[in-house]
Amino acid sequence: AQTVTQSQPEMSVQEAETVTLSCTYDTSESNYYLFWYKQPPSRQMILVIRQEAYKQQNATENRFSVNFQKAAKSFSLKISDSQLGDTAMYFCAFMLIIQGAQKLVFGQGTRLTINP
Amino acid sequence: DTGVSQDPRHKITKRGQNVTFRCDPISEHNRLYWYRQTLGQGPEFLTYFQNEAQLEKSRLLSDRFSAERPKGSFSTLEIQRTEQGDSAMYLCASSAIHNEKLFFGSGTQLSVL
Repeated sequence: AQTVTQSQPEMSVQEAETVTLSCTYDTSESNYYLFWYKQPPSRQMILVIRQEAYKQQNATENRFSVNFQKAAKSFSLKISDSQLGDTAMYFCAFMLIIQGAQKLVFGQGTRLTINP
Repeated sequence: DTGVSQDPRHKITKRGQNVTFRCDPISEHNRLYWYRQTLGQGPEFLTYFQNEAQLEKSRLLSDRFSAERPKGSFSTLEIQRTEQGDSAMYLCASSAIHNEKLFFGSGTQLSVL
């Protein structure tokens, strides 16, 4: 079974600083996707960024980028120039590439607070 | 595209009562998922539909839980004889076939007293 671990329950930084959220996962499969989802107080899970395991290049989306280390099974999220609106729970998630259900396995989450 | 909508947003019920939640997915999405999220945890997979067929159920889904998607559009999740341990947020998500992007609704927060 696949597992996802986020070792930082809470983090707090000042606005405009850079912050990195950690995630490790465990799988014996080679084809999968990794995701970071954001869950603000509105509770809706919003996709921040995704990475295909077969791609060596790290994904980037504006101020968000990942450091994907496949051998180490590590997938960290870097938020540059943090903004107050980035305050939210952040979940790392794993999805196997198989026929059938595209099931996400989530980590426990990291509560990120951006202070003015 | 109005996104995934869930109703109600909050539900408070007494132990032993039945409750039903509704999810309306993005209209062109064939796949619909239900997840459960307890306080301080990430969401956990419950079940999923492809069109009207329920193709997989988690062992988390006890016999008191039933989900339907009668015409391949909206879905309902019913919990019979609710227990305090059922208190959680129930999230619905949808996706197109062969697309790994799941779009989530805002969830239904259930409190069982």
